Amino acid sequence: GDSVTQMEGPVTLSEEAFLTINCTYTATGYPSLFWYVQYPGEGLQLLLKATKADDKGSNKGFEATYRKETTSFHLEKGSVQVSDSAVYFCALRGPLSNFGNEKLTFGTGTRLTIIP
Amino acid sequence: EAQVTQNPRYLITVTGKKLTVTCSQNMNHEYMSWYRQDPGLGLRQIYYSMNVEVTDKGDVPEGYKVSRKEKRNFPLILESPSPNQTSLYFCASTPFYGASGSYEQFFGPGTRLTVL
Repeated sequence: GDSVTQMEGPVTLSEEAFLTINCTYTATGYPSLFWYVQYPGEGLQLLLKATKADDKGSNKGFEATYRKETTSFHLEKGSVQVSDSAVYFCALRGPLSNFGNEKLTFGTGTRLTIIP
Repeated sequence: EAQVTQNPRYLITVTGKKLTVTCSQNMNHEYMSWYRQDPGLGLRQIYYSMNVEVTDKGDVPEGYKVSRKEKRNFPLILESPSPNQTSLYFCASTPFYGASGSYEQFFGPGTRLTVL
């Protein structure tokens, strides 16, 4: 079945550092890929997405490129801020999901802490 | 404001005492789903619903029930809660796009349940 493997955390960085959170996946065909962010005490919010190979999703300075050849969707940001402290989830929606089930398959999450 | 609401946000209960967690969305979405979030496991789908009166099991349905009598509401029912159901629960909704996959799922703020 579908699966997502995500970089283990927690990750602690200084403000303005470069961020990479690795994500690889296993799925049949061409899934859609997502990064969700969970701020303390809140639900998940969509950060960015990519729906086909070589697409680049971007939002709030974060980027991730859908790499079919390496089955990866790594999250990057050039200069992190304290306000980026949160838990980040990589997720996929498989193209061959059970008909009608829009299920997302999630990685385990990476807790990111940015220190001033 | 477009949103998914859940109640209660926090609940402490005892083994065997029936409880219901409510979920409501105001976006007229066809599809709704419940996930549980556990450390080291990410989010796992419990049940989903494609529309009114159409529900089906996700990956971890044991010990849970759902109903979908109205489009906006999708309550999660624990008939006889046990300590292994202690978790953080999220409700999500999305329009039903079938095979397209290029959509956003909207998540509620979460319900933290503790079963003693």
